[in-house]
Amino acid sequence: QPVLTQSSSASASLGSSVKLTCTLSSGHGTDIIAWHQQQPGKAPRYLMKLEGSGNYNKGSGIPDRFSGSTSGADRFLTISNLQSEDEADYYCETWDNKIRVFGGGTKLTVL
Amino acid sequence: QLLLQESGPGLVKPSETLSLICTVSGGSISGSSFYWGWIRQPPGKGLEWIVNIYYGANTYYNPSLKSRVNISVDTSKNQFSLNLSSVTAADTAVYYCAVTLSWYDGHQHWGQGALVSVSS
Repeated sequence: QPVLTQSSSASASLGSSVKLTCTLSSGHGTDIIAWHQQQPGKAPRYLMKLEGSGNYNKGSGIPDRFSGSTSGADRFLTISNLQSEDEADYYCETWDNKIRVFGGGTKLTVL
Repeated sequence: QLLLQESGPGLVKPSETLSLICTVSGGSISGSSFYWGWIRQPPGKGLEWIVNIYYGANTYYNPSLKSRVNISVDTSKNQFSLNLSSVTAADTAVYYCAVTLSWYDGHQHWGQGALVSVSS
């Protein structure tokens, strides 16, 4: 089954950009993932679906500041022009034919 | 726009069964080809997938929870339910109902979550 690995924390300054990473386990490097944002005290919110090709499709209402990209088994979420409301936990999600898994999440601090 | 809302007891005793209901509005469970599911989050920890059901067809389980999990659908009320048996303190978590419109995508719509504590 797939395993997703995320750094536990990241930080970046207000107005800057940050690139978060989700790494797929061996043998699952071509897989599609999804990114979710969870602001403090709130339910997760779907951000986008990100394919191994680097193509991504964002959910309704997700700002242009959010984008996705890939490199090998790595799936990236880039947030540009960081705002205070971007301070949140970010999770990646993937699946195989029978199960679904989440990464451990990255806590993003906006300085 | 699909809206999901969890409901159920906030406190369950050890060894008993945790039961939650998710009420869906903005769409019909029986008329859809969506995957309805449950995800939980222990306090201060990450998300853990529990189960998904594709109504009228297949159910998909987290292998580590499969022996204790049951998911069912009540089309007359447009609801789906989670039962988790033989609970322990480790099952204390916020439980989210959610839906993905395709198996090959993430869960696009989430409920607000329901905190369930397991304690005597």
